[in-house]
Amino acid sequence: DARVTQTPRDKVTEMGQEVTMRCQPILGHNTVFWYRQTMMQGLELLAYFRNRAPLDDSGMPKDRFSAEMPDATLATLKIQPSEPRDSAVYFCASGLVNGRGTTEAFFGQGTRLTVV
Amino acid sequence: SQELEQSPQSLIVQEGKNLTINCTSSKTLYGLYWYKQKYGEGLIFLMMLQKGGEEKSHEKITAKLDEKKQQSSLHITASQPSHAGIYLCGADEDTGRRALTFGSGTRLQVQP
Repeated sequence: DARVTQTPRDKVTEMGQEVTMRCQPILGHNTVFWYRQTMMQGLELLAYFRNRAPLDDSGMPKDRFSAEMPDATLATLKIQPSEPRDSAVYFCASGLVNGRGTTEAFFGQGTRLTVV
Repeated sequence: SQELEQSPQSLIVQEGKNLTINCTSSKTLYGLYWYKQKYGEGLIFLMMLQKGGEEKSHEKITAKLDEKKQQSSLHITASQPSHAGIYLCGADEDTGRRALTFGSGTRLQVQP
């Protein structure tokens, strides 16, 4: 049963601490997305990768957020230092660009981050 | 960037009733996706529509794409409590980069 796996599911941390969220995409998928969901802003695209190369990270606050794909089985999203306004659910999704150029993306269960 | 507007923002229907959710794009639609989300969970892929006025059905859910109006509709027939959740439409940006962006969602409640 192929699925996107995210860890941790829940994270509570103090302001100023570093937070790392991990995502294991579905094997064979060539695209990975990171999203943040809040009640106020909805689902925001933070960054995404195609064949492990970053295509766009314009949605991320550059000074504190970073996203990487060290290998095809792991994507990471790091926040350093974390702030209370970063509290949200962070989703990873992986997908495969099909012959028509569209991407069916499948989501993980998310990481609920609370920064106190 | 592409902006997707969904309507209504929330909807309460009686079990057994039909309903429609709309998604309108500010730009040309090249790939339109419908997802469902239950509180505290990830998004579940429902269906994808591509260029050309496509229509797809899955069980009691039908989605259509009207490329001229840059709009998609999701129709649920004979709604059930299991249909409750947040429905989100997403779309590919036609910039060659294929970034998948989403509307703000429609919250559906189905009353028994």
